[in-house]
Amino acid sequence: GDSVTQMEGPVTLSEEACLTINCTYTATGYPSLFWYVQYPGEGLQLLLKATKADDKGSNKGFEATYRKETTSFHLEKGSVQVSDSAVYFCALPRVGGSQGNLIFGKGTKLSVKP
Amino acid sequence: GAVVSQHPSRVICKSGTSVKIECRSLDFQATTMFWYRQFPKKSLMLMATSNEGSKATYEQGVEKDKFLINHASLTLSTLTVTSAHPEDSSFYICSARLTGRAGELFFGEGSRLTVL
Repeated sequence: GDSVTQMEGPVTLSEEACLTINCTYTATGYPSLFWYVQYPGEGLQLLLKATKADDKGSNKGFEATYRKETTSFHLEKGSVQVSDSAVYFCALPRVGGSQGNLIFGKGTKLSVKP
Repeated sequence: GAVVSQHPSRVICKSGTSVKIECRSLDFQATTMFWYRQFPKKSLMLMATSNEGSKATYEQGVEKDKFLINHASLTLSTLTVTSAHPEDSSFYICSARLTGRAGELFFGEGSRLTVL
């Protein structure tokens, strides 16, 4: 079945360092792909998405490109801030499920030190 | 933007008691809400899909008699953990979808349940 695999965390970086969180997926067809972020004490919120191959989603300095050749959707940011400390989840829609039914990766915790 | 709120954010209860968690869409109507369970260092696991005015659809392996879901209005879904046991201790999260924005979910803050 469809699945999402994320790199294991935690990831600890200094402020202004580059970030890459790997995400690969297994899916039938070419589903939309999402990155959600969960800040401490808060619910998940959509960070960015891409709806078709070669699309690039971007938000708050984060980017991810939908690459069907490598079935990947890696999250990147050129210069992280302390406020980026959070847990990041890669996700894709569950085939046959109701709209909004998503398969999530296990999450990657990012800690950014000043 | 769309806001989903859960209550309570934290609850501690004794084994054998029941606990109700509320999920509200504050500024939009949600005919469908989703309940997830999040284990430490693991992903969110979909428990059930809550449908306004009809029965919830449970995922395989989730006990419908233990996790009662009621979606009585377009802005409120409730999850009741009945006869709670320590192994039910977890982080429960609800979400709702804004009509027309397929795949994009809006999540509540989550409710941490601890069963003693």
